[in-house]
Amino acid sequence: GDSVTQMEGPVTLSEEACLTINCTYTATGYPSLFWYVQYPGEGLQLLLKATKADDKGSNKGFEATYRKETTSFHLEKGSVQVSDSAVYFCALVREGGSEKLVFGKGTKLTVNP
Amino acid sequence: GAGVSQSPSNKVTEKGKDVELRCDPISGHTALYWYRQSLGQGLEFLIYFQGNSAPDKSGLPSDRFSAERTGGSVSTLTIQRTQQEDSAVYLCASSSTSGAGQFFGPGTRLTVL
Repeated sequence: GDSVTQMEGPVTLSEEACLTINCTYTATGYPSLFWYVQYPGEGLQLLLKATKADDKGSNKGFEATYRKETTSFHLEKGSVQVSDSAVYFCALVREGGSEKLVFGKGTKLTVNP
Repeated sequence: GAGVSQSPSNKVTEKGKDVELRCDPISGHTALYWYRQSLGQGLEFLIYFQGNSAPDKSGLPSDRFSAERTGGSVSTLTIQRTQQEDSAVYLCASSSTSGAGQFFGPGTRLTVL
């Protein structure tokens, strides 16, 4: 079945460091790919998405590129801030399926000043 | 309101009791989803409604779980004869079109004593 694998956390960085959170997926066809973020005490928020190969999603300084050849959708940010501390979830929706999101287990990021 | 709303925000119940959780999707969104988030299982899909189509119930963990969506808007998730393993945060999401991304409510934290 469809699945998403994210790098194990937690990840701890200093402010202004570079961030990469790896995400790979298993799915038939061309799923749509998403990153969601959950800030402490808050609900899930859509961070960015990409719906076809080579698309780049971006938002709030974060980027992720849909790589069909490596079945990956790694999340990157060049300079993190304390306010980026949160749990990040990679997810997919199968092409032509029921639109349900399949999530990775989440990666907790802590950014220290 | 502008976002997905859920009620109650917290629910504590005794084992064996029935509970009802409510979701109000974003106005105009035709698709509605229920997920649950627990420490052991991460984020799991439960059920998906799209317009007047038959719902996708493939994620419901047992026949104690059911959901309905009235008038294509508000949805209620019902858990009968609750068990301690049902303790989790129950999340509702809605979306407008395929691939657009799902927008989540704040969740209902269910605790079964």
